[in-house]
Amino acid sequence: DSGVTQTPKHLITATGQRVTLRCSPRSGDLSVYWYQQSLDQGLQFLIQYYNGEERAKGNILERFSAQQFPDLHSELNLSSLELGDSALYFCASSVDPGGLGYTFGSGTRLTVV
Amino acid sequence: GDSVTQMEGPVTLSEEAFLTINCTYTATGYPSLFWYVQYPGEGLQLLLKATKADDKGSNKGFEATYRKETTSFHLEKGSVQVSDSAVYFCALSHGAGGTSYGKLTFGQGTILTVHP
Repeated sequence: DSGVTQTPKHLITATGQRVTLRCSPRSGDLSVYWYQQSLDQGLQFLIQYYNGEERAKGNILERFSAQQFPDLHSELNLSSLELGDSALYFCASSVDPGGLGYTFGSGTRLTVV
Repeated sequence: GDSVTQMEGPVTLSEEAFLTINCTYTATGYPSLFWYVQYPGEGLQLLLKATKADDKGSNKGFEATYRKETTSFHLEKGSVQVSDSAVYFCALSHGAGGTSYGKLTFGQGTILTVHP
């Protein structure tokens, strides 16, 4: 157990739907990162939060949004889902915003049918 | 922008063989470099890191040296075991500063299979 908890582990949903992925960072970590892992794109950085504020943005679609709550857990919201959104979504956390040495969760596998 | 290129896989070795997985990068400034490992059905685990030129990261028998002159960070292990079978990712980060603060840029991953 890495200490980073992601729920749910698996999610199957239909095109056009909206889902929410949840991440609880490791105790004491203030920074949360979201990554998408797919066969064609590899591992892509989506977004980073530090202590509740957005810190950096990567290749995140406008249909996707995220936030970090006061208790430091984070949610990634994916809407108007398309088949191509099927992927593994990883959350990671680190103590500092520089991210030297992330701890990754085990991921949420999203399948859009 | 930043990019990381890993040797194409998959790599198949016999137990106790020598392992090298090549990694080269393109980036401005002085990034930190990492190797992550992903076992089946699990998230990524940090294997080793190096934060400045000529640093050597090491862990569990794996080593990699930050070579700025060749922009490389090749992963090596002298004697692989079946339990080393996994996907290995090379990555870089700029850490503090700029809009890429904390962001990791990954290579495409190399699948390693070790046979008994």
